[in-house]
Formats: sequence, structure tokens, C-alpha cells
Amino acid sequence: GQQLNQSPQSMFIQEGEDVSMNCTSSSIFNTWLWYKQDPGEGPVLLIALYKAGELTSNGRLTAQFGITRKDSFLNISASIPSDVGIYFCAGQDSNYQLIWGAGTKLII
Amino acid sequence: GAGVSQSPRYKVAKRGQDVALRCDPISGHVSLFWYQQALGQGPEFLTYFQNEAQLDKSGLPSDRFFAERPEGSVSTLKIQRTQQEDSAVYLCASSAKIYEQYFGPGTRLTVT
Repeated sequence: GQQLNQSPQSMFIQEGEDVSMNCTSSSIFNTWLWYKQDPGEGPVLLIALYKAGELTSNGRLTAQFGITRKDSFLNISASIPSDVGIYFCAGQDSNYQLIWGAGTKLII
Repeated sequence: GAGVSQSPRYKVAKRGQDVALRCDPISGHVSLFWYQQALGQGPEFLTYFQNEAQLDKSGLPSDRFFAERPEGSVSTLKIQRTQQEDSAVYLCASSAKIYEQYFGPGTRLTVT
């Protein structure tokens, strides 16, 4: 079945540093989504990407939909303490189901 | 409120008990999804509604799991004869666009 490989699994960074994480897939997706989940809460949608090559920003967050449609990355610039949490990528093909990565835990 | 709400937030059930988890989606959202999330994992799809129609229940782990959305708004996920392996966080999401799903805070179910 479809799988998403998300890396790194966790990151220890200093406040103010830039952060980068990525997801790769064995198959093509039509949509990539990036979510952040805080403890005891549901995932919150950060960025949605719909076109191959698309680069989208949301404040200090920037995400790109890979040209091959099999990968995506998320960058966070100038990290702050409230960036702590687990970041998930999720891909969607022609179906409505989301395929999720295992998450990247950000620790500052 | 403007977001997806779920109740209860926490539920402790003895093995064998039935439980019902409620989801109030964002008003006007046609699509509603239920997910199960184990500790340290991403959410796993359970079932999908478009209005009141349950279009996909392929992710429900057993026939002890049942979901309904009779009026196309509020949804209930029911688990009969709970087992310890049912312990997880149950997340509800709704969307106006299929691709942008907005999640509730989840219900943490613990089966003892």
C-alpha cells in the first residue's frame, strides 16, 4: 500500500534556528498537506499544496510540492518556542483518504 | 464556536462496555471523517461521510465499530464491547473541500 516516509523523526534545535523537514512517497499524490499537532489536541492544518512545483508560505512557514509529486518539504524560519510540537505531512491521491507520515517532533 | 468539537474529551471504559463518541463539525461542512490515532503515530482513516451518506467505512477495524450521521451534521462513532486494543485517540475532521480537513481536539479513549 501507499507509504509516506517523513524525516527527521525528531529535531532538537535552538530558538531562532531554521528548520527543515520532508516527506517522500512511493507513489504520486495530487495534494500535500502539512499539519501541526500539539499534545492533547487534534492536528491543525498549516499549509495545503495542490500543484507540482508549488511553493506556498504561511508566515514563517514555507512548503513546496515536489515536481515529481512524490515529495514535499516544510521549512520553518527563525523558530520560536511555540513551534514545538509534532508536524505531520499527509498526501492525498484521487481518493479522499489522507495518507499520513509518522510525524516530526520538534523540540526547542 | 467556529471549529470542530468533540465530546467527551476523555473516556474511560471497562472492557466490554459500549461507548459513543460525538463530533460536531464546522457548520456547513459536507464531508466528515473519523480517524483513530495511536500514540506516536499519524491518524488512521476509519470512515467518511458526505452529508448523511456513509460513503466509505473500509477503515473500521471490526464490526464492533459503527458510525452514523443521520441528519448530515453531528456524527457519532459507537464502539460496542470495547477491547483494550480500542484504546486510542479518536479524531473527527470536517471539510468543505475534500482536501482541507479540519480536525477536532479528539476523544482519548482508555479501555481498562
